[in-house]
Amino acid sequence: EVQLIQSGAELKKPGATVKISCKASGYTFTDYHVYWIRQAPGKGLVWMGLVDPEDGRTIYTESLQGRITITADTSTDTAYLEVRSLTSEDSATYYCVTGYLANYWGQGSLVTVSS
Amino acid sequence: SYELTQPSSVSVSPGQTARITCSGNILEINYGRWYQQKPGQAPVLVIYKDTERPSEIPERFSGSSSGTTVTLTISEAQFDDEADYYCYSAADNSGVFGTGTKVTVL
Repeated sequence: EVQLIQSGAELKKPGATVKISCKASGYTFTDYHVYWIRQAPGKGLVWMGLVDPEDGRTIYTESLQGRITITADTSTDTAYLEVRSLTSEDSATYYCVTGYLANYWGQGSLVTVSS
Repeated sequence: SYELTQPSSVSVSPGQTARITCSGNILEINYGRWYQQKPGQAPVLVIYKDTERPSEIPERFSGSSSGTTVTLTISEAQFDDEADYYCYSAADNSGVFGTGTKVTVL
């Protein structure tokens, strides 16, 4: 059974950095891209970027380029999302997603940015 | 950047049919997917490649495509179908989600 287990909720101050993990199991980690999606409270889904665990290649959405880094550690089958220079606009639930059809989602990690 | 536009809300009576549209230029060249999201839960894929349905999704969910619009149809709607629905498509080297539609069954 494919599972993506994400790290827990985070409370950060404006200007700080958050790093969220996504531990994969139940499949060969390098077989599929890992995507990161976020959802602000009461708002829609936003595609942030992806990593190809096989070669580490990344693609980021233009609006977040330069402020986020997505990585994959094949020794632990874990993907990471780092978001820097946090503002209140970054308060959201962050999801990792994988699978040929992007049909396996993590449980979400809530990040709250507040002073 | 690409945009996918959906109606903000759709209402349907139990047993009736709901149709949700998603429009955007990218859909003319790329497939669309549909995700269902219930409160407090991660989204679930219900349609991919415009019309294909994962095996675990009930047959009352179907998809269609015409030009720059994809449509999700929920036949014989049930109370359990009440949720937010998002379309999605790949665009160049990124992905884009639709604006989301709240489906109310009443």
